[in-house]
Amino acid sequence: DVKVTQSSRYLVKRTGEKVFLECVQDMDHENMFWYRQDPGLGLRLIYFSYDVKMKEKGDIPEGYSVSREKKERFSLILESASTNQTSMYLCASRPGQAGDTQYFGPGTRLTVL
Amino acid sequence: QKEVEQDPGPLSVPEGAIVSLNCTYSNSAFQYFMWYRQYSRKGPELLMYTYSSGNKEDGRFTAQVDKSSKYISLFIRDSQPSDSATYLCAMSDRGSTLGRLYFGRGTQLTVWP
Repeated sequence: DVKVTQSSRYLVKRTGEKVFLECVQDMDHENMFWYRQDPGLGLRLIYFSYDVKMKEKGDIPEGYSVSREKKERFSLILESASTNQTSMYLCASRPGQAGDTQYFGPGTRLTVL
Repeated sequence: QKEVEQDPGPLSVPEGAIVSLNCTYSNSAFQYFMWYRQYSRKGPELLMYTYSSGNKEDGRFTAQVDKSSKYISLFIRDSQPSDSATYLCAMSDRGSTLGRLYFGRGTQLTVWP
């Protein structure tokens, strides 16, 4: 079974703090993704990575950055957290061939006060 | 216009009912079609996967793809309270080795006993 883990299930931070969300997959997948999910807006792609040290912007990259130093780990960074970044954050991974599907982690519910 | 449209519901049905969930899309290049199920406060999990047009059945679940109409459906027979969840459709095109999926906003389903 594919296992995608996220470092925290719930996180509370203050405005202006730097926040790190970690995602680890154990299946040697090439591609990894970060989404945020908000009521009424569905899943929105923030960033994705198709290889180590490679990244692509998704639809809403503003206010976020990512890091992929090792194949199994993909980090999402909020440089200066703001209240409008309160959301559910979901990480996903994918083997890397055309038509492969994505496997999701359990999510991190981030609240920024 | 979003690339993938999905009625968010909510949809509420009695146990044993047949449920029909639908998505429409605008990109004729989409070839791979998925349905994910997401329980409250959990990450999405892959439920059904279909390539190109046609039907696929798995137990009580049937996925249908009509590429000529750009329309996909998920049918749930003999629905159970445990089917209560949000159902997300997702799709990608043939050339996308980077693995980008395009999601609907999700339909919230409640099956009451």
